[in-house]
Amino acid sequence: QSELTQPPSASGTPGQRVTISCSGSSSNIETNVVYWYQHLPGTAPKFLISSNNQRPSGVPDRFSGSKSGTSASLAINGLQSEDEADYHCAAWDDSLNGVIFGGGTKLTVL
Amino acid sequence: QVHLQESGPRLVKPSQTLSLTCTVSGGSISSGDHFWGWIRQPPGKGLEWIGYIYYSGHAYYNPSLKSRVTIALDTSKNQFSLKLSSVTAADTAVYYCATRQFSSYVFDIWGQGTMVTVSS
Repeated sequence: QSELTQPPSASGTPGQRVTISCSGSSSNIETNVVYWYQHLPGTAPKFLISSNNQRPSGVPDRFSGSKSGTSASLAINGLQSEDEADYHCAAWDDSLNGVIFGGGTKLTVL
Repeated sequence: QVHLQESGPRLVKPSQTLSLTCTVSGGSISSGDHFWGWIRQPPGKGLEWIGYIYYSGHAYYNPSLKSRVTIALDTSKNQFSLKLSSVTAADTAVYYCATRQFSSYVFDIWGQGTMVTVSS
């Protein structure tokens, strides 16, 4: 598997809780940390959070990361309009011996 | 705080070599804290890891691109570079330089990205 699987789109209203999934395999998500990136159009992607909830300073705790087996999830509580962005998951793949990304999920705040 | 800036030609002809440079400020590429790498995003598609290099000069490449990619360091200029040979339209993408933490696989600092189009 050369790419992790994400839904192409997700949406929610302000204040809602939204989750974005990332599906992989035993050679990537099951055995390695998953990283989530937030990407606003025209800007550089930004590391958001990991599956063990490591986060850079400045990232609000409304964002949380988790994984179970071969799947990982990004959860956003208290959705805000500024959260509208593309979200990408990534992990090291032991079989490919490289980093693989998901196709990205476009989050729309309705 | 480390800052990265990509530079290079925006238009490359098919079969030619794509060459980009990433200038690093606020930190040294000779430190052992990070790997120095490249990631791209074709229009309408997801991110794709190209490769990265350590200050020792040891480079790691995406197996799907390995035969065409070279990443190198220029410590005198505090820059690192990407060369991708025999390009086709499929190599049209926004190219980002980014740092990978030594102790994990997270890309923690990214450049703004530069759009490169492969076309005759």
